Amino acid sequence: GAVVSQHPSWVICKSGTSVKIECRSLDFQATTMFWYRQFPKQSLMLMATSNEGSKATYEQGVEKDKFLINHASLTLSTLTVTSAHPEDSSFYICSARDIDRAQMNTEAFFGQGTRLTVV
Amino acid sequence: KQEVTQIPAALSVPEGENLVLNCSFTDSAIYNLQWFRQDPGKGLTSLLLIQSSQREQTSGRLNASLDKSSGRSTLYIAASQPGDSATYLCAVRSDKIIFGKGTRLHILP
Repeated sequence: GAVVSQHPSWVICKSGTSVKIECRSLDFQATTMFWYRQFPKQSLMLMATSNEGSKATYEQGVEKDKFLINHASLTLSTLTVTSAHPEDSSFYICSARDIDRAQMNTEAFFGQGTRLTVV
Repeated sequence: KQEVTQIPAALSVPEGENLVLNCSFTDSAIYNLQWFRQDPGKGLTSLLLIQSSQREQTSGRLNASLDKSSGRSTLYIAASQPGDSATYLCAVRSDKIIFGKGTRLHILP
């Protein structure tokens, strides 16, 4: 299957600082990428849909000024958690959809996730 | 609004048993349903993808069924092994991918 790579796999930062997480599609191009957040023992919750060359679409309750998403190329989307606080500590996972198989019934490919801890 | 429910939330069974994990969803207008495995602190491993037009998919000891009209899917694991211990997530795709909360499976050696 297609490979989606996330970096870093884990990060610890101080409260008030910003953290950038990268999501790359390694062997395919993705016009659309999705960012999820998962709290302990909870399910994955969609935060936003990232579209190449345009603004991201955020889910209700997700602060767009706090979670900055940039999708500048067909293989890279970034999520920046600005002014991070301990309550932002979570597991963040991205997903990408292959541009050549953009039908809605195609398989979703996920990154390995980033564990963010804000101290 | 699509809601996905997984039952049971947790399950412990002795090694070698066959088991069934359940997933239900409220809106039957889906494109597909996907089962994932997640190990603690790790990302997602795709297990099986069932298209809305299909009724089941098989991979090794895993079999997933889909009854779209009733909003149900099951994941059947045959001859369970300790290495099967993980959280199993069900996800349905309509305009978005919505996940259930998962079933935490523990296979006892």
